Amino acid sequence: QKEVEQNSGPLSVPEGAIASLNCTYSDRGSQSFFWYRQYSGKSPELIMSIYSNGDKEDGRFTAQLNKASQYVSLLIRDSQPSDSATYLCAVNIEYGNKLVFGAGTILRVKS
Amino acid sequence: DAGVTQSPTHLIKTRGQQVTLRCSPISGHKSVSWYQQVLGQGPQFIFQYYEKEERGRGNFPDRFSARQFPNYSSELNVNALLLGDSALYLCASSLGAGGYQPQHFGDGTRLSIL
Repeated sequence: QKEVEQNSGPLSVPEGAIASLNCTYSDRGSQSFFWYRQYSGKSPELIMSIYSNGDKEDGRFTAQLNKASQYVSLLIRDSQPSDSATYLCAVNIEYGNKLVFGAGTILRVKS
Repeated sequence: DAGVTQSPTHLIKTRGQQVTLRCSPISGHKSVSWYQQVLGQGPQFIFQYYEKEERGRGNFPDRFSARQFPNYSSELNVNALLLGDSALYLCASSLGAGGYQPQHFGDGTRLSIL
């Protein structure tokens, strides 16, 4: 079982819709979770961090964490073509030492 | 403020050669981590350094080594290069070494092995 799993996609949504990206992780002791956006040929860009169960909102982005189910998700409201990118879920597996990434989900927003 | 800076941007080497990649963290950040990203995969953790000490090491062979300098900049060295070392090498910095510290990435060094 991979430590961090994501659906590779592509996930296609129409402009203005809500995009829902999901991630599961294997280590129950994980305490911090991050979402990065990576445009083709570019480096990952941090968009959200979440540490406690529940929802965290930042603009059009909402991160959701459920530690009991070992599940973290990212919602993008009012999706725009500029949101088209690969979204990487990252989990700190060993406290302070190691950020483990999923393979990423490709999101395509169609205008 | 400047973000994480990496050099060089691109590098072409042949098998068996050695390479040194460089990274300067965001001002005030004391921790630097290195990642390798191959096409179609997420970044894979190589090393973390904090206050010049190694704080974590990923599942990479001893051909990979790194160090951090008193100004918190860092170098990643790879010896005896193999074709499989071709990848994007990413440096990330954070304020501290704790797991709650978000890591911010530089633009990366794209290494091609011929």
